[in-house]
Amino acid sequence: EDQVTQSPEALRLQEGESSSLNCSYTVSGLRGLFWYRQDPGKGPEFLFTLYSAGEEKEKERLKATLTKKESFLHITAPKPEDSATYLCAVQGGSGTGGFKTIFGAGTRLFVKA
Amino acid sequence: DVKVTQSSRYLVKRTGEKVFLECVQDMDHENMFWYRQDPGLGLRLIYFSYDVKMKEKGDIPEGYSVSREKKERFSLILESASTNQTSMYLCASRETWRGTEAFFGQGTRLTVV
Repeated sequence: EDQVTQSPEALRLQEGESSSLNCSYTVSGLRGLFWYRQDPGKGPEFLFTLYSAGEEKEKERLKATLTKKESFLHITAPKPEDSATYLCAVQGGSGTGGFKTIFGAGTRLFVKA
Repeated sequence: DVKVTQSSRYLVKRTGEKVFLECVQDMDHENMFWYRQDPGLGLRLIYFSYDVKMKEKGDIPEGYSVSREKKERFSLILESASTNQTSMYLCASRETWRGTEAFFGQGTRLTVV
């Protein structure tokens, strides 16, 4: 069964304290792994797409990496405005099954000034 | 930029009412989706549509129906609202079948009393 598990559920950091969020996945035939940011009461906002193991993408203080079993979202020197829920999602398989995207439950990040 | 607009940010409805949630996207995307998001459960797919007048059930379609009469508009219908349908509802659109990111609306917080 296709599955996405994110850890930790919540993460509290001091401003400037770098850390990583984990997304473990099980899917047959990965079509794409996606990272989103979601602020309270709003819809998710797209951050990155990764397609194959070894791929990395960066945006400001965020860097996403991908292996065959998991993805990491590294946050370097975070600021309070990075506080949000970060969602991981995978798309895989074939036919109509490859059409759906499976989301993890998210990691709530709190960055204190 | 892609824009996905949901008709309401907040709704309060009574048990048994028929509820319509509207979603419009402005980027000519073929694929549109309705999710609900509940704490600890992540995003769960209710219905999706890959073309006008086409629809497919997602993981939790019971109690819901959808309508897509025009490419840019995808409506979610709660036939007879119940308290267990109190949730955040998110609409999304995507350009192609596989490997591309989804763009989300701002969400509708529905409360059924």
